[in-house]
Amino acid sequence: DTAVSQTPKYLVTQMGNDKSIKCEQNLGHDTMYWYKQDSKKFLKIMFSYNNKELIINETVPNRFSPKSPDKAHLNLHINSLELGDSAVYFCASSHEEETPTETQYFGPGTRLTVL
Amino acid sequence: AQTVTQSQPEMSVQEAETVTLSCTYDTSESDYYLFWYKQPPSRQMILVIRQEAYKQQNATENRFSVNFQKAAKSFSLKISDSQLGDAAMYFCAYRSDWDDKIIFGKGTRLHILP
Repeated sequence: DTAVSQTPKYLVTQMGNDKSIKCEQNLGHDTMYWYKQDSKKFLKIMFSYNNKELIINETVPNRFSPKSPDKAHLNLHINSLELGDSAVYFCASSHEEETPTETQYFGPGTRLTVL
Repeated sequence: AQTVTQSQPEMSVQEAETVTLSCTYDTSESDYYLFWYKQPPSRQMILVIRQEAYKQQNATENRFSVNFQKAAKSFSLKISDSQLGDAAMYFCAYRSDWDDKIIFGKGTRLHILP
């Protein structure tokens, strides 16, 4: 049973294309996140959604658009891909309301390579 | 703004020995959470241990323990009886009590020598 899953695991695409990464969690959490890990392993948050509502939106180009169809899913759409978008993208989730867990649980990551 | 600093980019330890990974952070808040995450070559981010700032007692999880010094803003991770499977990148992380996002340090790559 995978708690936080991401698809695809690897994504190789050409510059200028539009792509999506999907994330699903079966933990019953109400908050989901997207993080980007660059080539130097530096992890930084991009977005946070709580109950389908955008909570955090760091300084991310508007080519990146998160979509949360329901509490269990947070997909990341990227338009007009650039070379600098190559990274590993992690989805995470946590429970924030009522009895918060504070701890975030991460998906396996999606390695995006832009050629 | 909060920051997390891991001053050791890489460390090595002999199998079965003990190693301590350093982490310091900067915050003006009094309530927060601290974490150590492990990222093995498979790149999965795995929670190793967490500490609530209001708790004075250091957290322990089997062979993993922390030395939490709130006044010094220090949060080191001690791994006892190191095993080959402990080889990974270790990230120290901070989370405010009122903000969702986790702030990560730059990581320490731990090598286990057989």
